[in-house]
This record gives sequence, structure tokens and C-alpha cells, in this order.
Amino acid sequence: EAQVTQNPRYLITVTGKKLTVTCSQNMNHEYMSWYRQDPGLGLRQIYYSMNVEVTDKGDVPEGYKVSRKEKRNFPLILESPSPNQTSLYFCASSGNNYGYTFGSGTRLTVV
Amino acid sequence: AQSVAQPEDQVNVAEGNPLTVKCTYSVSGNPYLFWYVQYPNRGLQFLLKYITGDNLVKGSYGFEAEFNKSQTSFHLKKPSALVSDSALYFCAVRDRTSGGSYIPTFGRGTSLIVHP
Repeated sequence: EAQVTQNPRYLITVTGKKLTVTCSQNMNHEYMSWYRQDPGLGLRQIYYSMNVEVTDKGDVPEGYKVSRKEKRNFPLILESPSPNQTSLYFCASSGNNYGYTFGSGTRLTVV
Repeated sequence: AQSVAQPEDQVNVAEGNPLTVKCTYSVSGNPYLFWYVQYPNRGLQFLLKYITGDNLVKGSYGFEAEFNKSQTSFHLKKPSALVSDSALYFCAVRDRTSGGSYIPTFGRGTSLIVHP
């Protein structure tokens, strides 16, 4: 089944403790992206990647890092999480069919 | 630059009545347009897309959308709403002339509430 897999689905952590949210797609898509969703603000793009080793900042990149060492994986790294990064995070990918496939989301709480 | 506006934070409709969720867009060239739905505690699911061709696009779950170039709109419609249609709906646009860039812009979302 074609899908984008994110892990974990839920995560509670403490301020300053490094964490990684994984994202993997099995569709050989070139484009991958991370979004955060907050009430009243919709989806805001954090980082995106057009291909392996090619990443760029989205609208709200501060406090986040990404890497794209392989085509299928696009992890989101929070080096020193803070409470304002408490949010619902989505990974998405796209190939040449113009549409986007989203993961199920990761609900992160930073206390 | 590209942008999307969903002017209504919330739309309320009675079950069995027609529904419309509005979306307007702005791109420098021609658009690719999308609608996604998000049910509680779930990711976004693809509903339909406009790439080219007929202005009326039919999608999943009985939804359709009409591309109107002169009004730069892509409103989502359904002839008869179901309670199970209650969800958050996102419109998205991508500039066709972006040279192969895949980067979409999403609207802020519209909460659809269908009353029994």
C-alpha cells in the first residue's frame, strides 16, 4: 500500500531533550515536506526537500532541522525542543501525479 | 507568489442540504488546485484535484469542485450533506509554471459541521 509513515504518533517530552520524528514513504517520491498544524493557523510548512541531499526552509523553520540522506526518509529533528513547538506535525510527499500524500500525524507535547 | 484564501472558518449545514466550502487562490501563472479533508485525529486525505480539462471536477465521497478562472475560485460542493462529512477541509494551490517545483500553499482550513 502506498503510504507515508510517521513515528511516533504521540510524544510527550521535556524542554531541551533532543528528539527525532521519522517519516518514510514507499512511493519513490522526490518531494517531501514537514508541516505543523496549530489551531487557527492551518498548515505551515517547516522544511521541504526536492530530492536527496536537497533541503530548504519553509515558512517556520526556526528550531527544526531535517536531513534527506535517502529518497524514502525525511526525519524532522528538534535539537532543543521548547513548549512553543507543541503542535501536530505532518509529513507529506509528492511525485509526478501532482497530488500529495500525508502521514497520519505526530502529536508532540513539550513540557 | 501563490496564496489561498478560505474565507469561512466554519460552515454549518443541515443533513440532506447542499453544501459549499469556498476557496479562492492567487498564482502568477496557471494553477493546480486541490482539496483535502481531515477527520479528527487523522492525517489529511486527498479529495480531488484540478489539473486541466473540465472545470467541474468530481472526487471522493460525492464531492465535486468547480474551477472558475475569471473569479480565481475553486469551491467545494456536495449536493446532499451527510453528518459523516463533518471534518476540516483544506484547499491548496500550486503554480503550474513553477518550473517543476512541487511546493503547494494550503489554506487555513474550513470546519464543516453537518447537523442531523
